[in-house]
Amino acid sequence: DAEITQSPRHKITETGRQVTLACHQTWNHNNMFWYRQDLGHGLRLIHYSYGVQDTNKGEVSDGYSVSRSNTEDLPLTLESAASSQTSVYFCASSEVLAGEGDTQYFGPGTRLTVL
Amino acid sequence: AQTVTQSQPEMSVQEAETVTLSCTYDTSESDYYLFWYKQPPSRQMILVIRQEAYKQQNATENRFSVNFQKAAKSFSLKISDSQLGDAAMYFCAYSGGGSQGNLIFGKGTKLSVKP
Repeated sequence: DAEITQSPRHKITETGRQVTLACHQTWNHNNMFWYRQDLGHGLRLIHYSYGVQDTNKGEVSDGYSVSRSNTEDLPLTLESAASSQTSVYFCASSEVLAGEGDTQYFGPGTRLTVL
Repeated sequence: AQTVTQSQPEMSVQEAETVTLSCTYDTSESDYYLFWYKQPPSRQMILVIRQEAYKQQNATENRFSVNFQKAAKSFSLKISDSQLGDAAMYFCAYSGGGSQGNLIFGKGTKLSVKP
């Protein structure tokens, strides 16, 4: 069955370190998204991609970057981790179908703690 | 900019009873999609139901149904015959017709189910 996976599931790091969170989907979807979830804020969009070599900034992109070299993967990099980036991170993918819009499928999430 | 508002941070329902979760949104678009996602304690985001704005008929999925009022920009979720497994955070989300799937989430409603 097609799925979307994230690794690691839990990560503890120190302030100032570079961290990369992996996202891999086997749906063959063109669209991929990264969200962060914080208490009182719901899910907020960090970055998104509509296809290989395409990346776009979302609502809360400062301090994060992504790159898309193939259809299956969209890694999220924290260039210099800050305590404010302690959060749960979700990756999602979707395919827009003509006349049907789309549905996003989510990964299981990564809990990141920055000390 | 589009916004999604869930005015009920917490709700409670008795097992086997019916509960309605509220969601309102603001948009100037005429073509869009609305979603309800469920997030149980496992953190997995699960699609509950989807509504296309151009469809007047309210979407239904087993015990879950929506009351979509386009003019009022309201999109409530009704859960019938509530079960213990329905206890979760519920998020309302909006996707514009031309946005290729970017989701805007409400802050969520925590539903408790009492036995």
